[in-house]
This record gives sequence, structure tokens and C-alpha cells, in this order.
Amino acid sequence: NAGVMQNPRHLVRRRGQEARLRCSPMKGHSHVYWYRQLPEEGLKFMVYLQKENIIDESGMPKERFSAEFPKEGPSILRIQQVVRGDSAAYFCASSPRSGIKLGELFFGEGSRLTVL
Amino acid sequence: GESVGLHLPTLSVQEGDNSIINCAYSNSASDYFIWYKQESGKGPQFIIDIRSNMDKRQGQRVTVLLNKTVKHLSLQIAATQPGDSAVYFCAETSNYGQNFVFGPGTRLSVLP
Repeated sequence: NAGVMQNPRHLVRRRGQEARLRCSPMKGHSHVYWYRQLPEEGLKFMVYLQKENIIDESGMPKERFSAEFPKEGPSILRIQQVVRGDSAAYFCASSPRSGIKLGELFFGEGSRLTVL
Repeated sequence: GESVGLHLPTLSVQEGDNSIINCAYSNSASDYFIWYKQESGKGPQFIIDIRSNMDKRQGQRVTVLLNKTVKHLSLQIAATQPGDSAVYFCAETSNYGQNFVFGPGTRLSVLP
């Protein structure tokens, strides 16, 4: 049973370009979370999605960032017109249900974005 | 806003000794906590969790203690091994798991 799969693992973009990060949750999981981690810092919540629905996007910047989790295919975190401050590791996590007190989040290995 | 923080940003221990990693949280409504281990270049890995109706929970070589009176959480690792070297994060939620708040992390270094 494959874990949470993220790709690309490393992505380099120039300022102004677009970055697309993909996340395939664990089999059977329909809840996806995106977190951002700056070097030597903790993870910051960005967005929580279920299939075809954004449940909580309180951690998403108001501009340039968007996320989706379509009925078919992976969840995508999209960053338009990237700036150097977007350089970070972006982690996806999935869970089999909402209210994950009975379990835990399963994290992917992360996508590391570098903006030149 | 409310946040989770750690007392010690770095911790060095001798191999074989016990390690204690601390975490302070400020949201009194938090009712579920998780400790994660993150090795270099990898994603966080679940270690152990605890609900607010408990004050102690044990796993294999790890114990989590929760003191709700002073809003303090700790992770104890028995007989620390080189493979335990990593950054450890505590995370808390009070929103039925929809939004975990992570602390800044403690780097554990195990000395030979």
C-alpha cells in the first residue's frame, strides 16, 4: 500500500513562473492537507480539501495560491507568479476521515520549491 | 494568534541516555496532540498521539506526557539511539483535526 506520493520532489522556478505541486493521497484516503515549511521552521497549515471541496483554506495566501482536489486524480497546489519568498518545502498529508483524532495524518516526502 | 512552541530548540544527548523534548501550547481548547519525527529531507513521521482526557501514553521506547494545567506536553525517548537523531515537532488541534498547529521543532542530536 503506497504512502502519500508527492511530485515533483524538487522544483526550480524563476520569479514570475508558475509552480504546480501534486499530491496523491494514500489509497482509500479522501482528505488532503497541504503544509508549508520554511528552513529550520515548523509546518504551517495552508489548506484542507476533500474530493471536489475546499474545507478550510485559512492558511492560504490570498493571492497567487490555489488548491484543488478533483474527483479523479491528485490534489494540486498551484502557485502563480512565484517570488523568492515562496521557496520552501511543501508537504501534503492525507487521512481517511475528517476528525482525525482517531488516527493521524500521513505525510508525503514533500516538494521542495526553489525560486531563483 | 494562538500557537504551539517549544522550550528547547536543540538537544544533544549521549547514546543510551533518555531524552526529553518539551512543548508548550497556549490554546486551552486544544484536545488532541501528536508528536512527529522529521529526518533530514523527509516528511514528518507519526510517533505517538494523546487526547486531552489522558495525561500519559506509552509506546515503544516513547512516552508522551500531557499537563493540561500548565499547557505542557513532553516526549520522552528511552535509551536514545543514533537513529533517533531528527527534528521533533509537537502538533495540536482543537478543530476536530481540520487544522493542526505545529511547533517550531526541536533538533535532537545523539552523541556517540
